[in-house]
Amino acid sequence: ETGVTQTPRHLVMGMTNKKSLKCEQHLGHNAMYWYKQSAKKPLELMFVYNFKEQTENNSVPSRFSPECPNSSHLFLHLHTLQPEDSALYLCASSLVEGAYEQYFGPGTRLTVT
Amino acid sequence: EDKVVQSPLSLVVHEGDTVTLNCSYEVTNFRSLLWYKQEKKAPTFLFMLTSSGIEKKSGRLSSILDKKELFSILNITATQTGDSAVYLCAAGGMETSGSRLTFGEGTQLTVNP
Repeated sequence: ETGVTQTPRHLVMGMTNKKSLKCEQHLGHNAMYWYKQSAKKPLELMFVYNFKEQTENNSVPSRFSPECPNSSHLFLHLHTLQPEDSALYLCASSLVEGAYEQYFGPGTRLTVT
Repeated sequence: EDKVVQSPLSLVVHEGDTVTLNCSYEVTNFRSLLWYKQEKKAPTFLFMLTSSGIEKKSGRLSSILDKKELFSILNITATQTGDSAVYLCAAGGMETSGSRLTFGEGTQLTVNP
């Protein structure tokens, strides 16, 4: 597989569930990102990892917990979410961190019931 | 706070028309401006602009940056129905200024046959 992949593509979870989103990039990049995309809103940056180290946490609630075990894999652990957390969650990667070309995965459409 | 504003938010044209999408930005220590096309899920990279006055071109799409007036335009000539998508603009600063990308709300382009 090439590019940036994300699983699952769709997820429905209750407010008391715990689930994880997975992202994998096959581009040899060193920076990875989580974005949230809600209807009628700009993409919101959530977390940035550069060479496996978290460099940005954009005031994200603690019910979202990222994990980056290596430069190719990124996870977003979810627990006790709220209905307003329903959105498209996009993962992206770039060669290095910064205002450079970022390549996006297909996203996970999350619905919290 | 960094800011990116796109206009128009929505545009409906007929096949064969030429369209111009606008993006203005306010970014501390600006480094680059990027354009993406988002059809169903993943935004796909179109252009990255760092210098004023140099047009980037790819087929029927072209883009130019004006760093003095702080804006960029994306032109699409001889539009086709396949150009229907949301076009996203993003801008970011130098690494020393917290180089994350700030995205605009997007322009929803609909091309009718």
